[in-house]
Amino acid sequence: NAGVTQTPKFQVLKTGQSMTLQCAQDMNHEYMSWYRQDPGMGLRLIHYSVGAGITDQGEVPNGYNVSRSTTEDFPLRLLSAAPSQTSVYFCASSYQQGANYGYTFGSGTRLTVV
Amino acid sequence: SQQGEEDPQALSIQEGENATMNCSYKTSINNLQWYRQNSGRGLVHLILIRSNEREKHSGRLRVTLDTSKKSSSLLITASRAADTASYFCATEGDSNYQLIWGAGTKLIIKP
Repeated sequence: NAGVTQTPKFQVLKTGQSMTLQCAQDMNHEYMSWYRQDPGMGLRLIHYSVGAGITDQGEVPNGYNVSRSTTEDFPLRLLSAAPSQTSVYFCASSYQQGANYGYTFGSGTRLTVV
Repeated sequence: SQQGEEDPQALSIQEGENATMNCSYKTSINNLQWYRQNSGRGLVHLILIRSNEREKHSGRLRVTLDTSKKSSSLLITASRAADTASYFCATEGDSNYQLIWGAGTKLIIKP
């Protein structure tokens, strides 16, 4: 099925550990992004990419790294996990920014940092 | 920073009734989008309304946009138990195309 695939679905990390959240889409979307969702708040943009080889910071980029070597994949790396990074992470893609196109979301990764 | 603010924060109605949710925003937009999130799941795109449109329909959904008041409403007619979810509005700016999200309205449909 076409869409956005995120792995893993759940992860528990110890403070200071690093890990990579995977995101892949098969819709040939140019735009990909990572959000975090915390209780009672809307989604906050971490990093985004408007095409392969191009990434930029969103609203809350500290502690996270991204790369976009292919159109399909957009992994999110946590460099040194902190309890404040406990959250649900969503990857989303869209055909193109500014093209009046909706976003397709992955099913999310629930991350707990202890 | 949040731009969209949904109202109410929570809404509980009987199955078959209509549900109305509102969204206000602060800056100029390219479009406004509504999404649904079932508990523990990802967000699903429902409808997009462009800044030059005033009303849009999709099945049981009706969205209005008033750019002079910087507000939008989502109406779900003849609600069903399966409509129980959180609903989010998101605005795409007309210069910076990033989506900015509200905190959502939690809708509960009672059978």
